[in-house]
Amino acid sequence: EAQVTQNPRYLITVTGKKLTVTCSQNMNHEYMSWYRQDPGLGLRQIYYSMNVEVTDKGDVPEGYKVSRKEKRNFPLILESPSPNQTSLYFCASSLSGGSNQPQHFGDGTRLSIL
Amino acid sequence: GDSVTQMEGPVTLSEEAFLTINCTYTATGYPSLFWYVQYPGEGLQLLLKATKADDKGSNKGFEATYRKETTSFHLEKGSVQVSDSAVYFCAAMTTDSWGKLQFGAGTQVVVTP
Repeated sequence: EAQVTQNPRYLITVTGKKLTVTCSQNMNHEYMSWYRQDPGLGLRQIYYSMNVEVTDKGDVPEGYKVSRKEKRNFPLILESPSPNQTSLYFCASSLSGGSNQPQHFGDGTRLSIL
Repeated sequence: GDSVTQMEGPVTLSEEAFLTINCTYTATGYPSLFWYVQYPGEGLQLLLKATKADDKGSNKGFEATYRKETTSFHLEKGSVQVSDSAVYFCAAMTTDSWGKLQFGAGTQVVVTP
């Protein structure tokens, strides 16, 4: 089954404690991205990757890092989380990012930073 | 910059009622337009899309027409069911923001029996 898998689904942690949210897709997609969803703001892109070792900032990259060492994985790293990063996070992938290709979303990771 | 504006919710309807969710966009050029649906506890699923002016996207009884003159992409369904209760997001993708979806704030729809 084609899917985007995120882990963990839920996490409560404290300010400053490094954390990583993993994202994996099994569709051999080149394009992957991370979004955060906040009430009244919809989803905003954090980072994206066009392919292995190719990443770039989205609209709200401050406080986040990513890496793309393998095609299937695109982890999101919060090196020193702060309360304003409390949010619902989604990973998405598509074949190459074009508008004629559907984007597949994971089920989301709810992070609470205390 | 590019932006998408959609009507605020929640929208509460009775089963079999007509649903309209308004969406307008601001973008350079002519973006591709999408509606995504998010059921509780799940990720977003593509509901329908349109890639050029006057295109009509449709799926599962939902429709939306790309109106260049009014920069709009309103979502409609003639007879909603309880199972249509979800959050609906309008989104745009421009050619110079490859792969990035610009989302509206989302509209929660609640359908009661």
